[in-house]
Amino acid sequence: GAVVSQHPSWVICKSGTSVKIECRSLDFQATTMFWYRQFPKQSLMLMATSNEGSKATYEQGVEKDKFLINHASLTLSTLTVTSAHPEDSSFYICSARGDNQETQYFGPGTRLLVL
Amino acid sequence: GQNIDQPTEMTATEGAIVQINCTYQTSGFNGLFWYQQHAGEAPTFLSYNVLDGLEEKGRFSSFLSRSKGYSYLLLKELQMKDSASYLCAVRPGGSYIPTFGRGTSLIVHP
Repeated sequence: GAVVSQHPSWVICKSGTSVKIECRSLDFQATTMFWYRQFPKQSLMLMATSNEGSKATYEQGVEKDKFLINHASLTLSTLTVTSAHPEDSSFYICSARGDNQETQYFGPGTRLLVL
Repeated sequence: GQNIDQPTEMTATEGAIVQINCTYQTSGFNGLFWYQQHAGEAPTFLSYNVLDGLEEKGRFSSFLSRSKGYSYLLLKELQMKDSASYLCAVRPGGSYIPTFGRGTSLIVHP
């Protein structure tokens, strides 16, 4: 149990375009979802936390107008990187946590390359 | 703020035992996690400690001392596939959101 999927697994796009990443909890209801970004050889950096049906809470320094997060259902959250630039190239990982779960479970990640 | 320290890199021999330490300073405490992350992949959950003592799970064990702000992950009978980054993550008091350390890159050689 506690499987989280992420789609796409990798994406290459041109600078200025928008990219949407989906995160799904497959066998549990994710009341909370987290979005992280990880640069090579660095730790996970939390971008935002979202609870189903409410607005996401963004970490300091993360632009909410650039990284749009939607958590419309208990099994799906989306992250849209708007007007992507090469510096947005990174490994984006989502995780999900259910109400009665102590730990969060991670999706497989999405590797974004902006040319 | 939260501060989590763990060694950047460790090497060990196949079949040996290795201990990866993690020290933390947080405002309160609400649990400590260890995750394993292979290169290019997402982290996978290894262990969760909220009370002092040792939790054993197969070849992996995790220890916690809340008074010392200290934890370690013990890996026995090392295998080549254990080469990965090991992340220590701590939840501060009153929060369900953990803060991650930078991770310890473990290299297992024959």
